[in-house]
Amino acid sequence: DGGITQSPKYLFRKEGQNVTLSCEQNLNHDAMYWYRQDPGQGLRLIYYSQIVNDFQKGDIAEGYSVSREKKESFPLTVTSAQKNPTAFYLCASSSEGNTEAFFGQGTRLTVV
Amino acid sequence: AQSVSQHNHHVILSEAASLELGCNYSYGGTVNLFWYVQYPGQHLQLLLKYFSGDPLVKGIKGFEAEFIKSKFSFNLRKPSVQWSDTAEYFCAVNPAGAAGNKLTFGGGTRVLVKP
Repeated sequence: DGGITQSPKYLFRKEGQNVTLSCEQNLNHDAMYWYRQDPGQGLRLIYYSQIVNDFQKGDIAEGYSVSREKKESFPLTVTSAQKNPTAFYLCASSSEGNTEAFFGQGTRLTVV
Repeated sequence: AQSVSQHNHHVILSEAASLELGCNYSYGGTVNLFWYVQYPGQHLQLLLKYFSGDPLVKGIKGFEAEFIKSKFSFNLRKPSVQWSDTAEYFCAVNPAGAAGNKLTFGGGTRVLVKP
């Protein structure tokens, strides 16, 4: 099936540790995105990439890093610098142009 | 930068009632408009979208939305809801012609339909 796979579904991290969230898509989409979802705040854009080996900061990039070495993959690292990392993280992808964005099922990160 | 407001955070209604969720955006230029839905335990999926043309757009599962440019609004409606419409609904916009699809989302509205 074509789609976006995020793993793991649930992730626990100790304070001070970096953690990487995986996002893979087999839709042959050029663009990929990371959003953070908090209750009552909707989704906020962390980072996005429109092409391999290129990415841009979104609205809340501080404390996060990404890479885009392959078209299919866009991993997100939540670093120890992120002050409030407990959240639900959603990865999305879209083809070129103003078309529909497809979302993964999300990763719920909890800092303990 | 654009912003999106969804005025109702929670809506509770009974089956067969009509539903209308408000969405207003702020942006000086032309926008593309979307409604996404997130059913419990499922991924976010597109309900409907507006790019241009007829301002009344129809989506899946009997939903429709009307774009009123003068009011910067894109309200979502369904004449008769079902228990299965229980979900969180998100309005989103992105500037027309913008490279990529950097959606700006509203805060979401949780809808609970009582059987």
